[in-house]
Amino acid sequence: EVQLVESGGGLVQPGGSLRLSCAASGSTFSNDWMRWIRQAPGKGLEWVANIKPDGSGQYYVDSVKGRFTISRDNAKNSLSLQMNSLRVEDTAVYYCMRGGGADWGKGTTVTVSS
Amino acid sequence: DVVMTQSPLSLPVTLGQPASISCRSSQSLVYSDGNTYLSWLQQRPGHSPRRLIDQVSNRDSGVPDRFSGTGSGTDFTLKISRVEAEDIGVYYCMQHSSWPHSFGQGTKLEIK
Repeated sequence: EVQLVESGGGLVQPGGSLRLSCAASGSTFSNDWMRWIRQAPGKGLEWVANIKPDGSGQYYVDSVKGRFTISRDNAKNSLSLQMNSLRVEDTAVYYCMRGGGADWGKGTTVTVSS
Repeated sequence: DVVMTQSPLSLPVTLGQPASISCRSSQSLVYSDGNTYLSWLQQRPGHSPRRLIDQVSNRDSGVPDRFSGTGSGTDFTLKISRVEAEDIGVYYCMQHSSWPHSFGQGTKLEIK
């Protein structure tokens, strides 16, 4: 069974930065697309970013382009999301997801507020 | 961008009765490799999403056979043959055939 564990969430002021991490175990991490998905309080799911298995390509939803960077370290089975210039509307639970959605983490909460 | 439209958004169901959720995409979800990357997710209250169905109709391991997915192109359906109490939650369709990938708005299933 694949385990995904997110960390790094917290409270940050508008304009600030956070770095989220996702530790993966129990799978061939380096073979899988990895994704970040978020869910604002009481709202639906929103795709944030994808990264190819070898890290050679990254894809972002328009609302985070230029502010967020997805990366991975296949040697450490680790996925990251560097979030800069955070806005109030980035407040959400952030999930990492493997491949086509068979595995999700429990999420980490990001709150952007002054 | 592909817009995913679910209906209904609220679904009150009597225990033991069937339920059906529709998901329509604004363009075909058939990918260049011939596969259709349309999945169905369940999110129980306070939990992470869980995938039930992959590529339109493939039930994930451990998912009860009362859940089934059908459809093609732009029109998809999730059916629950007999709703049980543990089925309470929000159901999402999800497409990853076309970037940006997207979700439906969610359908909240509740027991009457």
